[in-house]
Amino acid sequence: KNQVEQSPQSLIILEGKNCTLQCNYTVSPFSNLRWYKQDTGRGPVSLTIMTFSENTKSNGRYTATLDADTKQSSLHITASQLSDSASYICVVSEKTGGGNKLTFGTGTQLKVEL
Amino acid sequence: DSGVTQTPKHLITATGQRVTLRCSPRSGDLSVYWYQQSLDQGLQFLIQYYNGEERAKGNILERFSAQQFPDLHSELNLSSLELGDSALYFCASSTSTDTQYFGPGTRLTVL
Repeated sequence: KNQVEQSPQSLIILEGKNCTLQCNYTVSPFSNLRWYKQDTGRGPVSLTIMTFSENTKSNGRYTATLDADTKQSSLHITASQLSDSASYICVVSEKTGGGNKLTFGTGTQLKVEL
Repeated sequence: DSGVTQTPKHLITATGQRVTLRCSPRSGDLSVYWYQQSLDQGLQFLIQYYNGEERAKGNILERFSAQQFPDLHSELNLSSLELGDSALYFCASSTSTDTQYFGPGTRLTVL
């Protein structure tokens, strides 16, 4: 069964600090991996998307890495801000004959405090 | 604002009832996806449509059905509702298999 596991489940950091969120997956065959940010009660917003051949991708203070061999990804947040408080979701897409079947992780709940 | 609209914003109904959730994708997007997010749970992919045709199916119950119309808007029909169906239902759209743009969601409460 395809799975996406994220760690930690929740994280509290001080404003200005960096943090790294982890994502391990067993989805196969792999198509791509995405990180989303979801504010409470709102729809997720895409941060990055990476295919098999990409090792790293940045979006402002967000940098995602992908190791397709070990099936691991990380999301690094630099110089955190209060507005970074949200759930960060790792989503892995499985290559199928028709559309893409997505498997979502349960997310890491990040809280940034003063 | 993602450009994806969903109606209604909130829906309260009783067990055994049937409801219809509506989604209008971003202009030009051919793919529509439906997701369910229960309280404190992750997003569960339900179903994808592409230009009116069902493209991929996830963990969608038989009591649930969806369709995409010629104008590309989509509806998710939930029938014989149970308490456990209470959740946020998100619709997303995309032009390709890359980035999906999510709507604001419909919060369904089954009493």
